[in-house]
Amino acid sequence: KNEVEQSPQNLTAQEGEFITINCSYSVGISALHWLQQHPGGGIVSLFMLSSGKKKHGRLIATINIQEKHSSLHITASHPRDSAVYICAVRSGQWGSGGGADGLTFGKGTHLIIQP
Amino acid sequence: AAGVIQSPRHLIKEKRETATLKCYPIPRHDTVYWYQQGPGQDPQFLISFYEKMQSDKGSIPDRFSAQQFSDYHSELNMSSLELGDSALYFCASSLGVFQETQYFGPGTRLLVL
Repeated sequence: KNEVEQSPQNLTAQEGEFITINCSYSVGISALHWLQQHPGGGIVSLFMLSSGKKKHGRLIATINIQEKHSSLHITASHPRDSAVYICAVRSGQWGSGGGADGLTFGKGTHLIIQP
Repeated sequence: AAGVIQSPRHLIKEKRETATLKCYPIPRHDTVYWYQQGPGQDPQFLISFYEKMQSDKGSIPDRFSAQQFSDYHSELNMSSLELGDSALYFCASSLGVFQETQYFGPGTRLLVL
């Protein structure tokens, strides 16, 4: 079973700060997801990474397959970014795809951006 | 754009009762995943279906069963409910299984009394 570790577990920052959330996993994966969960419970998929880097607005996600590590960055953070950010991986050989394998989730990072 | 639809959004049941949760994937999506998130817990994968066939199985109790129908919607059937089954149940869908993004529904919050 893949072990997914996220850090930090909790993060409080001021509006405008640059935020970094880290994720590491223990065995090879075929995909890595960054998800956002708001207090109401809904989960939104932010990124799915297969390699390199992806950018969407103020969000940037990177992955280093060799080091089994991914980071989520938020630039110019805003109070509305306050949420739980979850790293989730799909185990298996990179690029193999495989079946409809379920995701293994990290514990999440609770982010609070103060005005 | 259409999203994943789950019904009901909230459900209250008593111990030993049964419950059926429904998931309607994004149109043209052929793959459905079920996850369970207990209070203060990270989501746990239960089961998935691709093209109406069970594809992967996670920590789904024997009291639970699920299936995917010809229109690709899926139902999670839960019998002999226990207090510990109280959780948020998410359904996600994707188009195919090869490194495709999973789109999550809003979840069904089940409370077992």
